[in-house]
Amino acid sequence: AQSVAQPEDQVNVAEGNPLTVKCTYSVSGNPYLFWYVQYPNRGLQFLLKYITGDNLVKGSYGFEAEFNKSQTSFHLKKPSALVSDSALYFCAVDTGFQKLVFGTGTRLLVSP
Amino acid sequence: GAVVSQHPSRVICKSGTSVKIECRSLDFQATTMFWYRQFPKQSLMLMATSNEGSKATYEQGVEKDKFLINHASLTLSTLTVTSAHPEDSSFYICSAKDVLAGTNEQFFGPGTRLTVL
Repeated sequence: AQSVAQPEDQVNVAEGNPLTVKCTYSVSGNPYLFWYVQYPNRGLQFLLKYITGDNLVKGSYGFEAEFNKSQTSFHLKKPSALVSDSALYFCAVDTGFQKLVFGTGTRLLVSP
Repeated sequence: GAVVSQHPSRVICKSGTSVKIECRSLDFQATTMFWYRQFPKQSLMLMATSNEGSKATYEQGVEKDKFLINHASLTLSTLTVTSAHPEDSSFYICSAKDVLAGTNEQFFGPGTRLTVL
């Protein structure tokens, strides 16, 4: 079965420092991977996706993610965190049946 | 960009009543919409896949008679929680795929918070 794991419930980082939110996946076949962000009481906003091509994917709000096939990872990164980046981040994989399976989410807290 | 709306954003109802939640794709056509449920501090759980003009496909463990889904047009899907109980209180989120875009991307609505007293 397709699945994603987000090993960290929460990530704390100081403003201006680089941030990484981890995601590993388990899929059969080629993975379609996504990152979404959720602010309190809001729906999900799309950040970026990997379908094929370059392993480094650039997305919205300065975020990027690196697809690593050998490590089956798709970590989300940003060179310099902002306080406004504080939110809940979800990694997801397309199961191939047009369904998304989400990770458990990682809460990012960026301190001033 | 593709926009999905949900109505209402919040609803409070009494136990035993039914509640209808609407999901609309505002600027694109969506043959497929998805309904998710999210408990506090938890991930999204797919409830059902809504297909325009046909019956919804429910995930294992989701009661189809309790969560009625209708996808009558290419821009509207509705979720009706029938005979709601306090344990149905949750955040319900819909998403839609743009038929013409040909991508795997889902566009999410802002969610509906249901509180059953």
